[in-house]
Amino acid sequence: AQSVTQLDSQVPVFEEAPVELRCNYSSSVSVYLFWYVQYPNQGLQLLLKYLSGSTLVKGINGFEAEFNKSQTSFHLRKPSVHISDTAEYFCAVSDRGSEKLVFGKGTKLTVNP
Amino acid sequence: GAGVSQSPSNKVTEKGKDVELRCDPISGHTALYWYRQSLGQGLEFLIYFQGNSAPDKSGLPSDRFSAERTGGSVSTLTIQRTQQEDSAVYLCASTFMPPGVGEEQFFGPGTRLTVL
Repeated sequence: AQSVTQLDSQVPVFEEAPVELRCNYSSSVSVYLFWYVQYPNQGLQLLLKYLSGSTLVKGINGFEAEFNKSQTSFHLRKPSVHISDTAEYFCAVSDRGSEKLVFGKGTKLTVNP
Repeated sequence: GAGVSQSPSNKVTEKGKDVELRCDPISGHTALYWYRQSLGQGLEFLIYFQGNSAPDKSGLPSDRFSAERTGGSVSTLTIQRTQQEDSAVYLCASTFMPPGVGEEQFFGPGTRLTVL
């Protein structure tokens, strides 16, 4: 069965520091990969997604992620974070052709001044 | 409305009671998804609808859970004889295209269910 591992449940960083949120998935077939963000008291919204093509994908708010097929990873990065990036970030994967989006357990990013 | 809406936003109920949670997808979206977000379990897929049909109900946690969609629009998730372990945030999402093509799912704000 498909599974997603987010290695860090909480990541505290200082403002303007770089951050990487890690995500690994298990799959033996072609997949689509997503990062969603959930700001406090709000619903989930898409940050970025990988469907095919270039392994480096850029999303909203300066975030980017790199798909690494050999390592089955899709880590999320931002070179300089802001206080407003404080939120919970979810990595998700679906097999091509499948309706099921499988989520990781989330990483809470806290950006401190 | 412009986005997915869910009602109620909060629901507190007593163990053993039935509850109904409602989801209004974005107008014109053909596919609708239900998820459950609980502490320790993260986000779990429950069920999806393509039109009014739910091809796969295997994600529902037990036979106390059921869902329907009418008119290709509004969906209702019903939990019968609620248990404390049902306490969670129930999220609804919708997409324009059918599942499986990598389209972004648009999520509603969720219904927070608390079973006392």
